[in-house]
Amino acid sequence: GAGVSQSPSNKVTEKGKDVELRCDPISGHTALYWYRQRLGQGLEFLIYFQGNSAPDKSGLPSDRFSAERTGESVSTLTIQRTQQEDSAVYLCASSLAGTGPTQPQHFGDGTRLSIL
Amino acid sequence: DAKTTQPNSMESNEEEPVHLPCNHSTISGTDYIHWYRQLPSQGPEYVIHGLTSNVNNRMASLAIAEDRKSSTLILHRATLRDAAVYYCILRDGGTYKYIFGTGTRLKVLA
Repeated sequence: GAGVSQSPSNKVTEKGKDVELRCDPISGHTALYWYRQRLGQGLEFLIYFQGNSAPDKSGLPSDRFSAERTGESVSTLTIQRTQQEDSAVYLCASSLAGTGPTQPQHFGDGTRLSIL
Repeated sequence: DAKTTQPNSMESNEEEPVHLPCNHSTISGTDYIHWYRQLPSQGPEYVIHGLTSNVNNRMASLAIAEDRKSSTLILHRATLRDAAVYYCILRDGGTYKYIFGTGTRLKVLA
């Protein structure tokens, strides 16, 4: 179907390496979000895109984390100099519009990142 | 951000109704109540949302207390595929992000 697609589904890397996580939102969705989910916990908001601008980056945990989005399409979350505490599932979601309390977010199945 | 409180876990027998409670005593007048569920190894899935009135859709029903300080997600006939973590979230009209708690882990017994 035409849901949110994330790649890779799993990523194992060594501490100190850089990683790039990709998100393909649902076509036509202007809003895109990144969340992080540590084992056994709820989701932590990372960043929100409206179009290709990011009005809210408040959830990015450190300057090692960055994200960009091309137009109203693909987004990439980059983690530089990975640390073991970065191990988590990174989830992407998209919605038709950012604001509006009745706009559900559609989530991908995430990228499971493991730092050795 | 307004907070919600949910039981950590619940069990239900297959084919029986399930009532998943959520307390949100600090809810404001503009907060909508949203429910999502997360099946194992998947991203969260939208279930239902409401403001004041009870709501029904093909997946579930949402019963909202008159004072809006609590709500209940109702699965009318639980199936094994309903085993998931259910999240109750408040979302302000002007807010774009969800604040997820740890949710209720629902176990469905065959």
